[in-house]
Amino acid sequence: GESVGLHLPTLSVQEGDNSIINCAYSNSASDYFIWYKQESGKGPQFIIDIRSNMDKRQGQRVTVLLNKTVKHLSLQIAATQPGDSAVYFCAENRGGGNKLTFGTGTQLKVEL
Amino acid sequence: EAGVAQSPRYKIIEKRQSVAFWCNPISGHATLYWYQQILGQGPKLLIQFQNNGVVDDSQLPKDRFSAERLKGVDSTLKIQPAKLEDSAVYLCASRANRGQIAPNSPLHFGNGTRLTVT
Repeated sequence: GESVGLHLPTLSVQEGDNSIINCAYSNSASDYFIWYKQESGKGPQFIIDIRSNMDKRQGQRVTVLLNKTVKHLSLQIAATQPGDSAVYFCAENRGGGNKLTFGTGTQLKVEL
Repeated sequence: EAGVAQSPRYKIIEKRQSVAFWCNPISGHATLYWYQQILGQGPKLLIQFQNNGVVDDSQLPKDRFSAERLKGVDSTLKIQPAKLEDSAVYLCASRANRGQIAPNSPLHFGNGTRLTVT
């Protein structure tokens, strides 16, 4: 779903399951994307990034997929753990710039 | 390496009062950003510095907000006078490289200052 004001989209998963967090972007000139994790009371923490000339990139337990045709980005977290509970933001760098524009965010809740 | 340091962590003021936030970026990082994050939203860029020069302040409400990075290291963000809608977390971020954001040169964020305007 979409978020308005205080109502962040929320994804609830069971511990051990895989999580998929989605993000739509609007600027076709964006050439670099980052996923950030933000825990309560903390600043955003870098997770993984991807250039627009790639469609997939893997890290430790995380994978980012990029579909430029439909301007869609996803973050997959394998074997989700309680410590993964946080708000996840996608951010884009719009065409050669050096600043990031953030999306609204998704709240991930991991149930034991 | 030490992270981005911000102070204070929390600040409560009344509307029309003034407030200042301080940021010490990661040592050697040339680029510094101030973001505003309203509850339930993603961070929104306010201003970007390259060393001690302003690169982009197009989204900074200049009638009440000001920022400086005089020696190209620490930075302060000031609000004068504050309004109720300024209640937010103010995040500082820094980056090593001067050029385009790319892999191996992401933004590193501090934990922010939570401002409440009553």
